[in-house]
Amino acid sequence: GQQLNQSPQSMFIQEGEDVSMNCTSSSIFNTWLWYKQDPGEGPVLLIALYKAGELTSNGRLTAQFGITRKDSFLNISASIPSDVGIYFCAGQLGAAGTASKLTFGTGTRLQVTL
Amino acid sequence: KAGVTQTPRYLIKTRGQQVTLSCSPISGHRSVSWYQQTPGQGLQFLFEYFSETQRNKGNFPGRFSGRQFSNSRSEMNVSTLELGDSALYLCASSLLSRANEQFFGPGTRLTVL
Repeated sequence: GQQLNQSPQSMFIQEGEDVSMNCTSSSIFNTWLWYKQDPGEGPVLLIALYKAGELTSNGRLTAQFGITRKDSFLNISASIPSDVGIYFCAGQLGAAGTASKLTFGTGTRLQVTL
Repeated sequence: KAGVTQTPRYLIKTRGQQVTLSCSPISGHRSVSWYQQTPGQGLQFLFEYFSETQRNKGNFPGRFSGRQFSNSRSEMNVSTLELGDSALYLCASSLLSRANEQFFGPGTRLTVL
């Protein structure tokens, strides 16, 4: 099945550093979402983006919906140990308010050292 | 508000058997989707149900099926299990008014021996 390309695949950073990751697709999406998954748990929704160019924040997290609608970016500022986990992007063809399947990225594994 | 619940959390089956997994969505959520997560293929969409009707289906063989009940609870069934069906099966629910935002349960870890 299709998976979106996420980079980097994994990253080790020090506590307090900022983190950037991105997600690219060969096709356009009308909605982009970012999830975080901890070991043994399901993905937790972090941010939802509905419009090309949109920039949305959730605490220390900021995500952007790319202008081409084929990419999205997630930034985490001042990382803390609990930011450890796997971050997934997900694209949806459905417009805002309509459910459709999520196509997930390959994931970015984040590890934070003290 | 309680989150999405899935039962059982862990399951071990042998090849050829069948299995039924259960999902209770967040109260008020009427759309339920199922995903399979494996190390090799990542998260893949199985199907989506709304008002007891399957609205979307992913590229999985007919051995994978599901249903939704009038209270929005959903079950998925896998028949004639294969080793490759070992995976984390995730259920997600969403509100009709914010249908894009899918909230996931903890998953059922299925191991096929």
